[in-house]
Amino acid sequence: QKEVEQDPGPLSVPEGAIVSLNCTYSNSAFQYFMWYRQYSRKGPELLMYTYSSGNKEDGRFTAQVDKSSKYISLFIRDSQPSDSATYLCAMRAPPSNTGKLIFGQGTTLQVKP
Amino acid sequence: DAGVTQSPTHLIKTRGQQVTLRCSPKSGHDTVSWYQQALGQGPQFIFQYYEEEERQRGNFPDRFSGHQFPNYSSELNVNALLLGDSALYLCASRWGGGGSTDTQYFGPGTRLTVL
Repeated sequence: QKEVEQDPGPLSVPEGAIVSLNCTYSNSAFQYFMWYRQYSRKGPELLMYTYSSGNKEDGRFTAQVDKSSKYISLFIRDSQPSDSATYLCAMRAPPSNTGKLIFGQGTTLQVKP
Repeated sequence: DAGVTQSPTHLIKTRGQQVTLRCSPKSGHDTVSWYQQALGQGPQFIFQYYEEEERQRGNFPDRFSGHQFPNYSSELNVNALLLGDSALYLCASRWGGGGSTDTQYFGPGTRLTVL
């Protein structure tokens, strides 16, 4: 069993739709949770960073962490064609100060005009 | 302000050969991590360098080795290449003194093809 599970998709939605992306994990020691966006042939770009449980909002993006269920989500409101990319969830493994990240497989999103 | 840079962009090697990939961290960053991303998969942690020493290592064989220079740039070396080493190799940098804040910046990657 992988430490972080993420549905690879692909997920196809019409422009303006609300997108929900999710990851589950097995290691209860994870404390830091991130979402990265990766365009084709590019490196991952940090979108959202959350510590422990709770919600965090940044513009059209909202990240949620439910540590009791070992489940994290990323919501994209008013999705745009430019949001078409692969979305990777990542988590910080202990010891926290080294910054080693455990990634999900990534979900490919296509937003159609 | 230049971000993380990596060279070369693409590389084609044959089985059994050796390869060296290079990374320059973002200005102000002193910690470099290397990740391997196979097609359709998420990045997998190879190792991390801080103060010119390997600080943590993922589940990769000894064929994968690295180095960090005094200017914080880094190299990833892979010996005895296998077909399965074909992947996008990503370098990420951060400031090691950042504590709990984990703003890692990734480079564009080097795409390695092993024939």
